[in-house]
Amino acid sequence: DIQMTQSPSTLTASVGDRVTVTCRASESVRRWLAWYQQKPGKAPKLLIYEASTLESGVPSRFSGSGSGTEFTLTISSLQPDDFATYYCQHYYNYPYTFGQGTKLEIK
Amino acid sequence: QVQLVQSGAEVKKPGASVKVSCKTSGYSFTGQFIHWVRQAPGQGLEWMGWINPYSGGTEYAQKFQGRVTMARDTSISTAYMELSSLTSDDTAVYYCASSPKSGYAAYWGQGTLVTVSS
Repeated sequence: DIQMTQSPSTLTASVGDRVTVTCRASESVRRWLAWYQQKPGKAPKLLIYEASTLESGVPSRFSGSGSGTEFTLTISSLQPDDFATYYCQHYYNYPYTFGQGTKLEIK
Repeated sequence: QVQLVQSGAEVKKPGASVKVSCKTSGYSFTGQFIHWVRQAPGQGLEWMGWINPYSGGTEYAQKFQGRVTMARDTSISTAYMELSSLTSDDTAVYYCASSPKSGYAAYWGQGTLVTVSS
């Protein structure tokens, strides 16, 4: 199984900050990678798929990049609604696996 | 708009089975895959598999092979996930999610809490 490792596990930042979350795959997943946002008690929400394609309706302050084994999710200017947990997921082969999550906290 | 509405919370005893339903609306049911993902309390997300509602074809994570069955009823645009031989490790929120492709999950249900306890 491909292992997905996110860093950091917790990120503390302020409104207006630019933040980056990294996701590393144990082997290449090409560009078959998605990012999700999850708030407590809620279902995950798709933000980005195919590494850099923004899902419809997702604010443009979110962006994704990378290919192969290293990927990043960037939020250009944090808004209060962005404090949540973020997960990456590959869908290159089976089983699809998720990263362990990055919790974004308010400073 | 796309909606996935799941069945309510369940409490099961170890060794029992649970069947969770996922009723969809707002799109062509046979045009999108349905994924099942679970999340144990305080833990991350775990992909369980998908079903192609058009063909009925399935792909299960090896971890759940032999214990999980995914099915659909196209007449009522509903997908099902049944998990058998439950243990306390299966206590989790189970989500269904739809996707235009077999990979990422675009639209999610609200989740169904399954508690396994003696």
